[in-house]
Amino acid sequence: EAGVAQSPRYKIIEKRQSVAFWCNPISGHATLYWYQQILGQGPKLLIQFQNNGVVDDSQLPKDRFSAERLKGVDSTLKIQPAKLEDSAVYLCASMTGTGASEQYFGPGTRLTVT
Amino acid sequence: QKEVEQNSGPLSVPEGAIASLNCTYSDRGSQSFFWYRQYSGKSPELIMFIYSNGDKEDGRFTAQLNKASQYVSLLIRDSQPSDSATYLCAVRLNSGYSTLTFGKGTMLLVSP
Repeated sequence: EAGVAQSPRYKIIEKRQSVAFWCNPISGHATLYWYQQILGQGPKLLIQFQNNGVVDDSQLPKDRFSAERLKGVDSTLKIQPAKLEDSAVYLCASMTGTGASEQYFGPGTRLTVT
Repeated sequence: QKEVEQNSGPLSVPEGAIASLNCTYSDRGSQSFFWYRQYSGKSPELIMFIYSNGDKEDGRFTAQLNKASQYVSLLIRDSQPSDSATYLCAVRLNSGYSTLTFGKGTMLLVSP
């Protein structure tokens, strides 16, 4: 079974530029998460999807971050415009659905904003 | 506000010793508790989860939960240098769609 795929793996941009990350979850996984992990901290949830609907986006900075999962499969996370404090690893995770225990994480995208 | 607290460490133990990692949480409504291991530069991977008070054992790992004290711990017996990593504690309100809240993690260093 293929794991969660993410691209790109690394990205360097200047502040005020825009960037987009892509995630393809494990096949059949209805729940998809985007996390932000700043160095030295635990992952912080940005947004959770159930199929193509948003379950929780309470911690997503909506003035600059957006995410979509149009067909209930793969997802994109966008930052526009980027700030220095957005430098972090962006992790995508997926889970089968209700009652499941394990979230499977992708390899992450390391973003550096200069 | 839901909070999960962990000592950032590093916790240093010699090879073969027992490593004890601790976590406290603020939301009494938390129902599910998870321990993830994260190697440097890698993504988190699930080690164990526990729902009920008491101990749960899986190989060299034992998770302990005390809901009254809002405390969960992870014991690693016969620690190996390959166990050196950051251990993340995470809690969830229920087994449905509610989200995971992670602690900052405890770095464990196992010396040969």
